[in-house]
Amino acid sequence: AQKITQTQPGMFVQEKEAVTLDCTYDTSDQSYGLFWYKQPSSGEMIFLIYQGSYDEQNATEGRYSLNFQKARKSANLVISASQLGDSAMYFCAMRRSGANNLFFGTGTRLTVIP
Amino acid sequence: KAGVTQTPRYLIKTRGQQVTLSCSPISGHRSVSWYQQTPGQGLQFLFEYFSETQRNKGNFPGRFSGRQFSNSRSEMNVSTLELGDSALYLCASSFGTAEAFFGQGTRLTVV
Repeated sequence: AQKITQTQPGMFVQEKEAVTLDCTYDTSDQSYGLFWYKQPSSGEMIFLIYQGSYDEQNATEGRYSLNFQKARKSANLVISASQLGDSAMYFCAMRRSGANNLFFGTGTRLTVIP
Repeated sequence: KAGVTQTPRYLIKTRGQQVTLSCSPISGHRSVSWYQQTPGQGLQFLFEYFSETQRNKGNFPGRFSGRQFSNSRSEMNVSTLELGDSALYLCASSFGTAEAFFGQGTRLTVV
């Protein structure tokens, strides 16, 4: 069974600082994908970044980077230069190879302080 | 390019009634998945449709059903509503096995 664990219910970060949101996962699959989504109060889930289990380099998308440590089964999201608009819920998710359904963690509420 | 559109955005229903939610995926996306989000259970996968066929199903009772039309638009139906069905229902579309793009959701309240 797939399981995603996000141990930080809430995080605070000063504007313009970097922040790391933790995510660990459990799977017996060799091939899988890891995702991070942002959910503002409006409800929409916004795709941020993707990492494939066979990708050797850590994924980056603008201010977002994914610190992928396969042996430790962790996929932490790093947000650099935080902005007030980054305040939202952040979800880590995993998808098995060949399937489209996502398994989500419980989320981390990030608050950016001016 | 238009995003994923879900209608209605908000809905209030009475226990025992049934409800139908609609999702229009991004043009060209043939996979549509549905998720239920509640404060207690978090985000849970309901089912996935691809080319009008249910390809995958989560662990929900038979009161939850769905379908997909030839234009890839999808509907989900919940019959005999219970208070516990109150949730944000999210639809996601994807092209092949690329990342899923979500709609803004339908917030269902059962009273």
